[in-house]
Amino acid sequence: AQTVTQSQPEMSVQEAETVTLSCTYDTSESDYYLFWYKQPPSRQMILVIRQEAYKQQNATENRFSVNFQKAAKSFSLKISDSQLGDAAMYFCAYRLTGANSKLTFGKGITLSVRP
Amino acid sequence: KAGVTQTPRYLIKTRGQQVTLSCSPISGHRSVSWYQQTPGQGLQFLFEYFSETQRNKGNFPGRFSGRQFSNSRSEMNVSTLELGDSALYLCASSSVAGGLETQYFGPGTRLLVL
Repeated sequence: AQTVTQSQPEMSVQEAETVTLSCTYDTSESDYYLFWYKQPPSRQMILVIRQEAYKQQNATENRFSVNFQKAAKSFSLKISDSQLGDAAMYFCAYRLTGANSKLTFGKGITLSVRP
Repeated sequence: KAGVTQTPRYLIKTRGQQVTLSCSPISGHRSVSWYQQTPGQGLQFLFEYFSETQRNKGNFPGRFSGRQFSNSRSEMNVSTLELGDSALYLCASSSVAGGLETQYFGPGTRLLVL
């Protein structure tokens, strides 16, 4: 079974600084997708960034970028120029390709941003 | 487009009762997935429906069931409620089943079982 591990339950970053959130996963498959989701307090979960496993190039979305290391099964999220609105719970998730696959989430990490 | 909506937003039930939660996907989306979120277990997949058919199911007991209607709205039912069923239940919709398409999440239904 696939598992997703986020070993850091909490992190803190100073406003305008950069922070990296770690995620590792375990799979024997070669074709899959990886995601980072953000869940602000009492607000809806939204997709931050996604990565296809077959792509070597790391995905980037504005201030958010990933470091995807397929051989190491590592998928970290870097947030640059952190803003107060980035404070949230962040979930790393994995999904196989195919119509009958499901999202498997890590336990999440709570990110706080210090003004 | 309106987002994913879930009703009710909050619910209090007692052990042994049953509950039905509703999810209306984004217009045009035919896939609806359900997740249970608890502090201890995190986010766990319950099931996915696509075009009224259950496509995938997580490791939950048979007390958890769901269905999808022809308009893609989905309901989730939990029978014989237990204290451990207290959780935030999230549904997410997407335009197709599987693949890289984005899943859009609703605000969730917070269920408290007393």
